[in-house]
Amino acid sequence: AQKITQTQPGMFVQEKEAVTLDCTYDTSDPSYGLFWYKQPSSGEMIFLIYQGSYDQQNATEGRYSLNFQKARKSANLVISASQLGDSAMYFCAMTTNTGNQFYFGTGTSLTVIP
Amino acid sequence: DADVTQTPRNRITKTGKRIMLECSQTKGHDRMYWYRQDPGLGLRLIYYSFDVKDINKGEISDGYSVSRQAQAKFSLSLESAIPNQTALYFCATSDTSNGRRETQYFGPGTRLLVL
Repeated sequence: AQKITQTQPGMFVQEKEAVTLDCTYDTSDPSYGLFWYKQPSSGEMIFLIYQGSYDQQNATEGRYSLNFQKARKSANLVISASQLGDSAMYFCAMTTNTGNQFYFGTGTSLTVIP
Repeated sequence: DADVTQTPRNRITKTGKRIMLECSQTKGHDRMYWYRQDPGLGLRLIYYSFDVKDINKGEISDGYSVSRQAQAKFSLSLESAIPNQTALYFCATSDTSNGRRETQYFGPGTRLLVL
């Protein structure tokens, strides 16, 4: 069975500092994709970053980077130079080559402190 | 204009009523999904559709039905609403043309309150 685990229900970070949000996954499929989404208080789900299981390099998108450790089955999101607008819920998700669904974690609430 | 739209954005209904949530997309994606979000539980899949003639149950389909009227439209119905269906509902689409990188794009959500 596929599973996504986010163990940090809430995180705080000082403005301009970097923060890492943890995500571990479980799948027996060798081909899969990992995603991070941001959900601000307004409720919409915003796609942030994608990492494929066969990608050689860690994905980066602006201030977002994905620390992909395949052997440990972890896909942590790193946000550099945090901004007040980064305060939101963050969800890790996975899809597999054989599965037909996306699997979401329970989310991490990030609060950026001025 | 938004690529994935949901109507209504907010809805209050009474127990036992039948309601329909609608989703439309202009992204031209073949796959569409309905999720519900409850605090502390993340997103859970209700139904998904890979094309107009393909409908599949997700993790929590009981009490819900769907209709894929066209490639661009995917409706979710609550046949007889109950209070524990109070949640935030999301429609999403995805495009398989990118191979393994099948990113899901979400609508703005519908907040449903069942009294």
